[in-house]
Amino acid sequence: GAGVSQSPSNKVTEKGKDVELRCDPISGHTALYWYRQSLGQGLEFLIYFQGNSAPDKSGLPSDRFSAERTGGSVSTLTIQRTQQEDSAVYLCASSLVADRRETQYFGPGTRLLVL
Amino acid sequence: AQKVTQAQTEISVVEKEDVTLDCVYETRDTTYYLFWYKQPPSGELVFLIRRNSFDEQNEISGRYSWNFQKSTSSFNFTITASQVVDSAVYFCALSEVGGNQFYFGTGTSLTVIP
Repeated sequence: GAGVSQSPSNKVTEKGKDVELRCDPISGHTALYWYRQSLGQGLEFLIYFQGNSAPDKSGLPSDRFSAERTGGSVSTLTIQRTQQEDSAVYLCASSLVADRRETQYFGPGTRLLVL
Repeated sequence: AQKVTQAQTEISVVEKEDVTLDCVYETRDTTYYLFWYKQPPSGELVFLIRRNSFDEQNEISGRYSWNFQKSTSSFNFTITASQVVDSAVYFCALSEVGGNQFYFGTGTSLTVIP
């Protein structure tokens, strides 16, 4: 079956511009996660959508970052007024149920480069 | 303090050698889950294994094996007879039931030289 998909796969933008990154989770998966992976680093948790409950936004690094999940499916991560330090790979993952013990299935990521 | 420590940043082995990737975790929960993920050069993390804290049996899957030892808070991953296709970054992760948190280590980059 189809896995997690993300678009675009690569994005180059100028400092100060806004960007939107999209994630399509596996169909039927309740939970959706966003992570950021900077060059040579581990995964930094950003936000967690857990079904109908309020999302856990504790990992968002600043108020320039926001995310939505419409209709319990597709999610969009928005970065406003991008900075060079935002350059990273943004990974999306989904899991069947909204429980962090559950195995997460990852998308291929969006590589963001802020010039 | 790091919840999940992967002290080996980079490892290089020659094809067919065995290699062990270390993972040490820290938690006060009695119930937790441990994971290993593989991130090949293509970038997509691939789930390898999930183990709960009550199951200390070692697991073998083909050339892969995992050694879970609660006494040392370790969940090490061994690849036997390594192959070039094993070249990737491997992440260990911890999920705590009580705190409902999920933590990734910083990863170990494995290069298998033909």
